[in-house]
Amino acid sequence: GAGVSQTPSNKVTEKGKYVELRCDPISGHTALYWYRQSLGQGPEFLIYFQGTGAADDSGLPNDRFFAVRPEGSVSTLKIQRTERGDSAVYLCASKSEGSYNEQFFGPGTRLTVL
Amino acid sequence: GNSVTQMEGPVTLSEEAFLTINCTYTATGYPSLFWYVQYPGEGLQLLLKATKADDKGSNKGFEATYRKETTSFHLEKGSVQVSDSAVYFCALSDGQGGSEKLVFGKGTKLTVNP
Repeated sequence: GAGVSQTPSNKVTEKGKYVELRCDPISGHTALYWYRQSLGQGPEFLIYFQGTGAADDSGLPNDRFFAVRPEGSVSTLKIQRTERGDSAVYLCASKSEGSYNEQFFGPGTRLTVL
Repeated sequence: GNSVTQMEGPVTLSEEAFLTINCTYTATGYPSLFWYVQYPGEGLQLLLKATKADDKGSNKGFEATYRKETTSFHLEKGSVQVSDSAVYFCALSDGQGGSEKLVFGKGTKLTVNP
């Protein structure tokens, strides 16, 4: 694929439900990031993977949020017991090896919790 | 922690007007600085970057200079076009822990009228 893809593009769920958001990075990119963008705000960092491991999860807001990248490519962001405050656009970005390289962003998944 | 403050929007200009969007940052160490752009209906794209003090990033007629003494990275364009209408985000790369995660400002919406 040419760029980072994310599915679904939109997700509407009810408070208390579990959701999974998927990110397909650019092939060969070892670094993968998740960000969350609330309305009228800039993206905020959630978690960073280098290969299969979560190297920095300092941005995850609480233990309802979890992410995996089992084979070092596709990543899934998992949110348990969703709350209305979780409504936002969830962005994924990937980057090739090396410093100062550009992070390429996907189109995002718009999550709405009713 | 590291942070980015950018000019509040929205900004409305006529075609061929001069554009400045102010951005200042707070950071430990020597971050890289970026401007990202989000066109209507599209994902975030890197517009330009600078990796060290006094570097000038430029692209598509836009420029920004990394000023360490004023901790600023203001975005400028001499003559804007209608097609420049978008939301612009200033960001820094936080290298703590090796993640190079991005810290974004809140974004500035630019509208250029013909």
